[in-house]
This record gives sequence, structure tokens and C-alpha cells, in this order.
Amino acid sequence: GAGVSQSPRYKVTKRGQDVALRCDPISGHVSLYWYRQALGQGPEFLTYFNYEAQQDKSGLPNDRFSAERPEGSISTLTIQRTEQRDSAMYRCASSSGGPNEQFFGPGTRLTVL
Amino acid sequence: GNSVTQMEGPVTLSEEAFLTINCTYTATGYPSLFWYVQYPGEGLQLLLKATKADDKGSNKGFEATYRKETTSFHLEKGSVQVSDSAVYFCALRGSSNTGKLIFGQGTTLQVKP
Repeated sequence: GAGVSQSPRYKVTKRGQDVALRCDPISGHVSLYWYRQALGQGPEFLTYFNYEAQQDKSGLPNDRFSAERPEGSISTLTIQRTEQRDSAMYRCASSSGGPNEQFFGPGTRLTVL
Repeated sequence: GNSVTQMEGPVTLSEEAFLTINCTYTATGYPSLFWYVQYPGEGLQLLLKATKADDKGSNKGFEATYRKETTSFHLEKGSVQVSDSAVYFCALRGSSNTGKLIFGQGTTLQVKP
């Protein structure tokens, strides 16, 4: 009965390094969403998957950001050549599909020095 | 494009006071509307929702009515408690049913005993 989990919970990296953020959705949930939340702001959509298919990546800010969900379960959001402006809370959510409720994970706080 | 605007915080109230947090939206078609809450140190949780005009969502003493004529979804509670102190986010999901959520910037509520 575990909820959505994310790892690491905190990540500090130096500018120019690559980072990989992991999301483990609720078992059986077909839809998985990534959001980014800057301090003092609401979450901003990045991308989402139905099963292993990436359905919408319109929110990814540039080509340094990519995401995958190869087996339709765990997802990884990768940021290449990190920049200070990438510092934010990255949130993952999963749902049983379509309009159903999204359940959010605790987030990964990324700090780029 | 679709967007959500919330009243700016922080909102500071005494226990048992009446709460209103304003939320207005811009959207094409017939979006669904949500209020999410983030308690200190926790992730986002769905508080209530409404999926069509004139629907009222309610939970834990909170209510919000989907007003299409004023494009609003204001959150209200008749008597707040210290335990209601949190950040509240208004959000919409467009009528395409992809599940993608668009959030407002959040309103911090602090309730003092």
C-alpha cells in the first residue's frame, strides 16, 4: 500500500553535472506525471506517460531535460549539464489513468551550485 | 492557454475565523477544478474537486463551487483550526482529459490559536 516514492529526496550537484531523478509510482498506476516547482510557486507540468509511452513532453524546458519509463513503472527524469536555474523541487505523481486523481510523491529537492 | 490565478498570501487568521481563498481561471472548453493542500513537511494532497459548472466540492469542512459565469473556484471554510495551516493550491485540468494539471502559485494559510 505504499504511495508514490521519489529518490533521492535531496540532491546537491555542481553546475555542468548530469542528474537522474527517480520516481516509483503506486503499483498498477498507468499514468505518471513530472512537475517542477520553484520556491513560492505552484507545480509546473513537465511531461507525462501512459504506460511506457511518453504522451506529452511539452513542458520540458529545453533539450537538456529528458524522461523515460521503459517498463511502464519506474520513471527517471534526467537533466544534463545542470544550470543554477534548474534548482527546484521536482515532483512526480501517478494515477490510474485519464481524469482520475493524481497522487503526488514527496518530491526531490535539487540544488545546483 | 489555460491558467489559474490565486490570491496572494500569506493569509493569517485566528482560530475559528472564516476563510476564503480566491481562485480564478482561464480555460477553453470545460475544465475540471481542484484544490490541493500541502501541509508542512508533506507532499501535495487532493483536498476537493469539481468537474462541471455549479458542482460543489467539499472535504474536511472546506467547500468550493465551480462558477463558470465568473470563472472562479473560491475555497471557503466556516471555522478554521490551527491544523489547517498549510499551503493551498488551486488547479485545473483541461477538457482534453490527459490529466495534466495547471496550478496557481499557492496561498499560505497560517492559523493562530
